Amino acid sequence: QVQLQESGPGLVTPSETLSLTCNVSGASITTYYWSWIRQSPGKGLEWIANIYHGGNTNYNPSLKSRVSMSIDTSKNQFSLNLTSVTAADTAVYYCARDSSGSYYLGDFDIWGQGTMVTVSS
Amino acid sequence: QSVLTQPPSASGTPGQRVTISCSGVISNIGSNSVNWYQQLPGTAPKLLIYSSSQRPSGVPDRFSGSKSGASASLAISGLQSEDEADYYCAAWDDSLNGFVFGTGTEVTVL
Repeated sequence: QVQLQESGPGLVTPSETLSLTCNVSGASITTYYWSWIRQSPGKGLEWIANIYHGGNTNYNPSLKSRVSMSIDTSKNQFSLNLTSVTAADTAVYYCARDSSGSYYLGDFDIWGQGTMVTVSS
Repeated sequence: QSVLTQPPSASGTPGQRVTISCSGVISNIGSNSVNWYQQLPGTAPKLLIYSSSQRPSGVPDRFSGSKSGASASLAISGLQSEDEADYYCAAWDDSLNGFVFGTGTEVTVL
């Protein structure tokens, strides 16, 4: 059974960097594309970025200047860094697996439970 | 930053058929397949339809998807109370080089 678990601080100070990790169990991280998706309170879903174990990444152009993703195959986990955060970055952050094997089909079949991140001083 | 447009709400009585539209442009729905997600309150989204019309294992056949040109739709036939949820469409956008989600539709079972 494939499971994803997000971890990271629930509170981040404005202008600082938000760092989250997604631990993958039950599947090899080298086989699929992996994404971060967020949802602001009471709002819709916003795709942030995806990554493949070879280092191929794609970023949401509206966040590209502040976002980076990395993958650690030895720990079977991947991470998100979002710099210079503001209150607008307050959201539930989900990690998700794309089962399609491609970067552009977006078959997000497995999701983490989500982690709430609040940006506030 | 939703690029795909959905009606904010839809409703029906148990047993009825409800259809949700998702409108995009040639660079997203017009060029790529569409996925649909169901989000029950307080939970992570669930993949409902992939490749515009395919159902993952375990998804009831009351859910069906279709695509025509730069628009897509999700139909729920035989509406049930447990179908009350938010529904989102999604597709890759060739111009943005990223995924875009729909604005979301809240389905209410009357």
